[in-house]
Formats: sequence, structure tokens, C-alpha cells
Amino acid sequence: NAGVTQTPKFQVLKTGQSMTLQCAQDMNHNSMYWYRQDPGMGLRLIYYSASEGTTDKGEVPNGYNVSRLNKREFSLRLESAAPSQTSVYFCASSKSGRIKNIQYFGAGTRLSVL
Amino acid sequence: ELKVEQNPLFLSMQEGKNYTIYCNYSTTSDRLYWYRQDPGKSLESLFVLLSNGAVKQEGRLMASLDTKARLSTLHITAAVHDLSATYFCAVDGLANSKLTFGKGITLSVRP
Repeated sequence: NAGVTQTPKFQVLKTGQSMTLQCAQDMNHNSMYWYRQDPGMGLRLIYYSASEGTTDKGEVPNGYNVSRLNKREFSLRLESAAPSQTSVYFCASSKSGRIKNIQYFGAGTRLSVL
Repeated sequence: ELKVEQNPLFLSMQEGKNYTIYCNYSTTSDRLYWYRQDPGKSLESLFVLLSNGAVKQEGRLMASLDTKARLSTLHITAAVHDLSATYFCAVDGLANSKLTFGKGITLSVRP
């Protein structure tokens, strides 16, 4: 069972470079999320997609864009990377029913911006 | 805005002793989740608490939810080294599909 797959696992960028983080889930989940994790800050939501065709800003959306390509895939783009975007990025997905909303996480992408 | 607070943020535990950690949240919700994260790894779902008074147990961990007090507790019985990890609670704000996470509590079990 693949679950939530993120690529790449590691990336080093120079300030001003752009890149796209890829995320795919094979659980037929409706909702997908992008978080960043920084020491002492917990997980902060960047963007989420409640269902295919919709995206919404989370707590820290500045400097990022997202695309919900289809039900399986949700990508995160950094148009002009800044050192403040050095972080670990997690993608997650959930069925998002009215009863439970367990989110399943990918392995993470460790990004350094120099 | 929903706020989730966990305390303490770091806890050094002695092997074999019992401990309790806390998760407080600021607005009405009856859905709370506990996750575990090992160093350098992803988050893994531990417990789902879906109503007032809900109690879930797995091995040495027991989680409970008091929605009136807006409080969840995670009780650790006879701590062992394998429990060393960071534990996050997350609350479902109900208005949308988002979860709000606490900052996490890092547990370290020493001999």
C-alpha cells in the first residue's frame, strides 16, 4: 500500500529558484493538504483542497501556489524560493467524512534554501 | 480562530513511571486526533476521539476527551524507551475539512 507519496525527499535550492513538490495518494481520498513543519512551530497548514477542483489558503500561504491536478495529485509550487521557506514539507490526505477526518501523511520533503 | 495548546512541550520521563500530557483547545469541537512522530519521520495516527467522554487505549497509551473542558489527555503507563517520540494533538474545527495541530510534545524516556 503506497498511501501518500511525496517527491522529492530532499532538495536544495538557491534563493530565487523555483520548484514544485509533488504529492499523490492512492486511497481515493477527497481532501488533500500541504503543511510545513519548523522546529518549535508544530505543523502549519499552507494550502488545502477539500475536494477535486477546489483549493483554499491555510495559515501560511504566502510564497506558495498549489494545483489540484486530479483527485489523486496535489502539487505545491515555490515560485521564487526564499531562505525562510527552508522547512520540512508534508502532504496529507483524508476521506473527510462527517464522522472522521483522519489525515494520512507522506514521508515529507526536506527543503533547504540557500 | 481555533487554537490548540499542548503542554508541556518537552517531557523527560523515567522508565517505568506514569505520566500524563495535555491538549487544550479553544472552540467547540468533539473530534480530536492524536499523532505520533519519530525523529526524522512522518506522522502516524494514534487515536481518534469522536465524542465527549471518549476513551481509547493502545498498549501503554490511553487517550481521553472532555469536550466541555475542551481538554484531551494522553496517559502513559510504565514508560518505556519505545515511547520516545513527539506527540501531536489535532482538533477538527468542523466548519471545513481542516485540522488544527498543537505544537507537539516531545517525550524522552530515560533508564
